[in-house]
Amino acid sequence: GAVVSQHPSRVICKSGTSVKIECRSLDFQATTMFWYRQFPKQSLMLMATSNEGSKATYEQGVEKDKFLINHASLTLSTLTVTSAHPEDSSFYICSASGLSAGSYNEQFFGPGTRLTVL
Amino acid sequence: AQSVAQPEDQVNVAEGNPLTVKCTYSVSGNPYLFWYVQYPNRGLQFLLKYITGDNLVKGSYGFEAEFNKSQTSFHLKKPSALVSDSALYFCAVRGLNQAGTALIFGKGTTLSVSS
Repeated sequence: GAVVSQHPSRVICKSGTSVKIECRSLDFQATTMFWYRQFPKQSLMLMATSNEGSKATYEQGVEKDKFLINHASLTLSTLTVTSAHPEDSSFYICSASGLSAGSYNEQFFGPGTRLTVL
Repeated sequence: AQSVAQPEDQVNVAEGNPLTVKCTYSVSGNPYLFWYVQYPNRGLQFLLKYITGDNLVKGSYGFEAEFNKSQTSFHLKKPSALVSDSALYFCAVRGLNQAGTALIFGKGTTLSVSS
C-alpha cells in the first residue's frame, strides 16, 4: 500500500520559534495533501488542503500566516508553524492522495507529529 | 453540509464477543465512507471503505461494515473482538469523487476490549 511519512515524529520548541514539519509520499505521487490537527481524545480537524504547485486552501478559522504550507513537489509538503505558542501544541497529521496510489478516493495518512511548545 | 456522527464515545466489549461501532452520515449525493483506526500517538490506519457495490464491506483485521442507505448508517462490526482491537475508531465521509476533497471525520469512538 501507499506509504506516507512525517518528520519529525516529535518536536519540542520554545515559544516564539518556528517549526517545520515534513510530509512525504514515499511510493506514489501525491497530487493533493491534507493537514489535520488533533487535540487529545478528539477528532481530526482539517486545517488546509494543498495541491502540488498551488497555494493551499485553508479552512475557516485557520491562520494562513501562522501555518505556512508548501507543496512544491508531488512527494513533499511542509507545514511551518511560525512563532509557535503553547496553544499550538497538538498532534499534526498529514495525509496524501493521488491517482498513482490507486484512486483519488482514498487518503493515506502519515504517522503524525507531536508538537509541544514550551 | 456533509457530516458524520458517531453517537458513542466509548464501546466496551469482552474478548470473543461481537462488537459494533456505530456511524451515521449526512451527505448530498452518493457517500464515500471510510473507517480508520488510531492507536495512541500514531497516525490513522485504514480499515475499509464503501464506494459502491455490495453493502457489506470487508476490511483489514477481520473488520467489516454494512452500508445502509435507508438508515444512512455505516456501522463497523467484528464477529469476535480481540484485546488488541482496543483503540480509537473514526468514521469518515467524502461527498463526491473529486481530487482534493478532504475527509470529514466523526468525533471518534474508543473501543475497549477486556480479557
